[in-house]
Amino acid sequence: NAGVTQTPKFRVLKTGQSMTLLCAQDMNHEYMYWYRQDPGMGLRLIHYSVGEGTTAKGEVPDGYNVSRLKKQNFLLGLESAAPSQTSVYFCASSRGGMNTEAFFGQGTRLTVV
Amino acid sequence: DQQVKQNSPSLSVQEGRISILNCDYTNSMFDYFLWYKKYPAEGPTFLISISSIKDKNEDGRFTVFLNKSAKHLSLHIVPSQPGDSAVYFCAASDSGNTPLVFGKGTRLSVIA
Repeated sequence: NAGVTQTPKFRVLKTGQSMTLLCAQDMNHEYMYWYRQDPGMGLRLIHYSVGEGTTAKGEVPDGYNVSRLKKQNFLLGLESAAPSQTSVYFCASSRGGMNTEAFFGQGTRLTVV
Repeated sequence: DQQVKQNSPSLSVQEGRISILNCDYTNSMFDYFLWYKKYPAEGPTFLISISSIKDKNEDGRFTVFLNKSAKHLSLHIVPSQPGDSAVYFCAASDSGNTPLVFGKGTRLSVIA
């Protein structure tokens, strides 16, 4: 049982380049989330989705876009990467409401140079 | 403005002793609290939770205590084991179905 899978695991981008991070979950969860983790900052919510076709902004949405075209996938896009977006990105999903246990992927380490 | 605070960035405990990790919150609407554990190069994993209708929840070596009047919760690990060495995140939410708010984490080191 794969759970939550993130692709890729590592990536180095040049400033101004674009990329998409893919998150896939096989648990039929309604809710999906993208977080970033920075040293000393904990986990901060970027965007989230409460169901297929829906997205909403989290705490730090600027510079990112998301799409949830299929229930099992949640994509995070960076249109023009900046060094401030160097971080570890985690995707998560949960079955019930947003105050229930979330299952996390293994993370994507992104470096923008 | 941090709504969930973990004021101790790190904690060292000897194997076999008790580890106590603390978490404070400012939002009185929070009514559900969770603890996550994170090993290096892995995603966080759910550890234990507590609803505001309770003041204690126990699961094996892990117990979470909630003091609503003080807006404080703590995670007790007894006895601590080297495999417990990880970063622990406290998270909180309200029944209005808003996303979890995480603290900055506490790095626990259990020394053999």
